[in-house]
Amino acid sequence: DTAVSQTPKYLVTQMGNDKSIKCEQNLGHDTMYWYKQDSKKFLKIMFSYNNKELIINETVPNRFSPKSPDKAHLNLHINSLELGDSAVYFCASSQADRDYKTFFGPGTRLTVL
Amino acid sequence: AQRVTQPEKLLSVFKGAPVELKCNYSYSGSPELFWYVQYSRQRLQLLLRHISRESIKGFTADLNKGETSFHLKKPFAQEEDSAMYYCALSGVPGTGFQKLVFGTGTRLLVSP
Repeated sequence: DTAVSQTPKYLVTQMGNDKSIKCEQNLGHDTMYWYKQDSKKFLKIMFSYNNKELIINETVPNRFSPKSPDKAHLNLHINSLELGDSAVYFCASSQADRDYKTFFGPGTRLTVL
Repeated sequence: AQRVTQPEKLLSVFKGAPVELKCNYSYSGSPELFWYVQYSRQRLQLLLRHISRESIKGFTADLNKGETSFHLKKPFAQEEDSAMYYCALSGVPGTGFQKLVFGTGTRLLVSP
């Protein structure tokens, strides 16, 4: 199946812990993103990578560090988790030089206790 | 600054009734407008984009540059249309504005 996949689907952890979310796309896209959907269902971009290069960083705390080992992967590492980090995190991808039709992963529901 | 406004948080209609989900935007350049749908606890799916001028699942949306609107319409709502609908904006390819700016979403509830 061609798609955007992310793991884990659910993540429950304690405040202060460090956690990672992994994302992979096999659509051959050159641009990947992380979006955050908060408890009010508001969606906002966090990061965007184009060909492994960071191109968008939307004033996200530096506890959040994205890493793109190759064009098909964009992982999100979060240090010192806080209660306010509880949200659903969506990975997405698109092909920048063709159009910005964006495909989303299934989401990772992060709950910080 | 780019902004997308969806004034209704919740739209509740009966099956068979017409539906219009409102979306207004502000953007200084040439926008690409999209509607995304999120069914309960699922991923966001692209419903339609203004550039393709297509009808998906009976939904249509017309870009009105004069009114800076991109309202989503369906003449006869179905129960399976119940979902969260997001209007989103990006720049056209080549402008460097390659992110989606989302509205706050409208929950559509279709009752039998």
